[in-house]
Amino acid sequence: GAVVSQHPSWVICKSGTSVKIECRSLDFQATTMFWYRQFPKQSLMLMATSNEGSKATYEQGVEKDKFLINHASLTLSTLTVTSAHPEDSSFYICSANPPAGPSTDTQYFGPGTRLTVL
Amino acid sequence: AQSVTQLDSHVSVSEGTPVLLRCNYSSSYSPSLFWYVQHPNKGLQLLLKYTSAATLVKGINGFEAEFKKSETSFHLTKPSAHMSDAAEYFCVVNPGYSSASKIIFGSGTRLSIRP
Repeated sequence: GAVVSQHPSWVICKSGTSVKIECRSLDFQATTMFWYRQFPKQSLMLMATSNEGSKATYEQGVEKDKFLINHASLTLSTLTVTSAHPEDSSFYICSANPPAGPSTDTQYFGPGTRLTVL
Repeated sequence: AQSVTQLDSHVSVSEGTPVLLRCNYSSSYSPSLFWYVQHPNKGLQLLLKYTSAATLVKGINGFEAEFKKSETSFHLTKPSAHMSDAAEYFCVVNPGYSSASKIIFGSGTRLSIRP
């Protein structure tokens, strides 16, 4: 159990376009999901906490108008990179915890989305 | 403040020899501790977690970790390395117990396996 999926697994887009990445919890409901960004050979950097039915909480230094997060249901959160530029190229990973039970302290990660902006 | 320190950025071992990846944590109380593995261009997979039930925790793929409160350590070991173990390993602390808690990552240890 506790499976998180992401779509797409990789995307290439032109500079100035917007890209949407989906994160789904497949076998549990997640009131909270997390979005991370990972640069090559580095650890994960938390970008924002996605809250079902309310606004996301962004980490310091993350532009909320640049990285739009929508958590419209208990199994789906989306991250939209607006007006993407080459510096937005990165590996984006989402995660979620089961809301209750012995694994509620455990974050389960999606497989990641590789974004390349040309 | 909570923190996690992975003492080695890179560890290289020969296939069939033991693996030791070191992790120290700082916490004002007993946190939940985790080890995750990440293969290239993949997400993070949970190897094992400690939540105070037992100090020696067994995980998947033959990995285990021992929680030592006196040393504030949670080192990851495996008796015999396999080529497929080559990956990045992250030690993680969850300082809270809710599903909304932000977790704290170590900087990662890259494990290389020599044939």
